[in-house]
Amino acid sequence: RKEVEQDPGPFNVPEGATVAFNCTYSNSASQSFFWYRQDCRKEPKLLMSVYSSGNEDGRFTAQLNRASQYISLLIRDSKLSDSATYLCVGGYTGKLIFGQGTTLQVKP
Amino acid sequence: GAVVSQHPSRVICKSGTSVKIECRSLDFQATTMFWYRQFPKQSLMLMATSNEGSKATYEQGVEKDKFLINHASLTLSTLTVTSAHPEDSSFYICSASQLGDSNQPQHFGDGTRLSIL
Repeated sequence: RKEVEQDPGPFNVPEGATVAFNCTYSNSASQSFFWYRQDCRKEPKLLMSVYSSGNEDGRFTAQLNRASQYISLLIRDSKLSDSATYLCVGGYTGKLIFGQGTTLQVKP
Repeated sequence: GAVVSQHPSRVICKSGTSVKIECRSLDFQATTMFWYRQFPKQSLMLMATSNEGSKATYEQGVEKDKFLINHASLTLSTLTVTSAHPEDSSFYICSASQLGDSNQPQHFGDGTRLSIL
C-alpha cells in the first residue's frame, strides 16, 4: 500500500466549477502536510500547507482530518490556469512523501 | 525568484557515462537537501537525504554506489549517477528547506531531465 494515496484522475471540469481532491496517508506519524502543484515537465511548486484547523488561500481550501488520516483540497471557480497535477504530500522525520498526483483539466 | 538552483537542466549522454547534477541553495544555508526521481506519469520518489558534512541517507532500494551524493558545503549538494544506463533515464529533482526544518515546505530546483541513450 502506498504511504500517500490519491485518485490520479484526470478530473475534467468546466471553467467556474468547484472541484475537490482527496488524499489519504497511512503513516500516523506524519506531522506536516502540503499540497504542491506540478505543471507538465516542471518541478513541483508549493500551493499551500495543510493545517488541522483547515486553511484557505483565495479560491483554495485545504482540510486535514488526522483521525481519518485524510487530506482534501477544494478549488472554487476553476480557471483554465488551474490545469495541472496536484500532489498531496505528507512529511515526517524530515522526509516528504508524495502521492501520485491528481490531474486536473479545466475546459473552457 | 528561485531559491534553489539545479544544473544542468537537461542531459543526454551515452550508456556508461557518469553524470553529475548540482543543487545549490541561493541566499540561504541548507544543512539538508533532498534528491528525488520522477518517472513519467509517476510520483516523485525520495532517493536520498543529503546531509552537509556527513554521509547521505539512502532510501530502500536506492544503490548508494550507483548514486553518489556529496554535500560538501552548506549551499551545494551534488548527485552523480555513475555508469548510467537507459533505465536511469528520469527526471531528477533536488529540494531544500529555507527554514532549516525539513518538515517545513521545501523549495525545489528546476529539475534535471536525464536521457541515457
